[in-house]
Amino acid sequence: DTGVSQNPRHKITKRGQNVTFRCDPISEHNRLYWYRQTLGQGPEFLTYFQNEAQLEKSRLLSDRFSAERPKGSFSTLEIQRTEQGDSAMYLCASSPVPGSYEQYFGPGTRLTVT
Amino acid sequence: AQSVAQPEDQVNVAEGNPLTVKCTYSVSGNPYLFWYVQYPNRGLQFLLKYITGDNLVKGSYGFEAEFNKSQTSFHLKKPSALVSDSALYFCAVRATTSGTYKYIFGTGTRLKVLA
Repeated sequence: DTGVSQNPRHKITKRGQNVTFRCDPISEHNRLYWYRQTLGQGPEFLTYFQNEAQLEKSRLLSDRFSAERPKGSFSTLEIQRTEQGDSAMYLCASSPVPGSYEQYFGPGTRLTVT
Repeated sequence: AQSVAQPEDQVNVAEGNPLTVKCTYSVSGNPYLFWYVQYPNRGLQFLLKYITGDNLVKGSYGFEAEFNKSQTSFHLKKPSALVSDSALYFCAVRATTSGTYKYIFGTGTRLKVLA
């Protein structure tokens, strides 16, 4: 069990650029979540996948954000036309088969938009 | 709407003393409740959960929490604090009603255990 991995760990980009983050969940975890965390706050839900199906998206998620999990394994989160307000830590978590509910978090990708 | 409140930004406790980190929640229907811990430069780690059954749940590192439905609380406790318990603690809730899978996290409580 190698844990949830996220790449890159840090990303600095200029306002207006597009960025993509990758999450590799724990093997055989069919549930995958993306969160955003800013300083002094808890993780804020962005979106949820069960296998390859995106079953829930936060209403706070603007059209500039999109996520995919094409084969039900790794997932990507893309932010288009980044804004300074997008600067945050982006967390991925995975969860095993139904009935356990706890989540296993990756180390996060810290995004800085200049 | 679901919400979680952690009323204390920071809790200080002397090593060896009991500790409590408070959490209250608001959710439609029955809740699933969780505690996570975040150490510096590390991801959130699961500590314990309440899904159903016994109101007192035990978790990792000697932590426990008590689900109190009438007070809508899920306080984290440990009988004897260690300096190594110093970290940021998050309470989270998920509604069990159909149609949502999302978890709501509190703003976190920083626990400082003093030697």
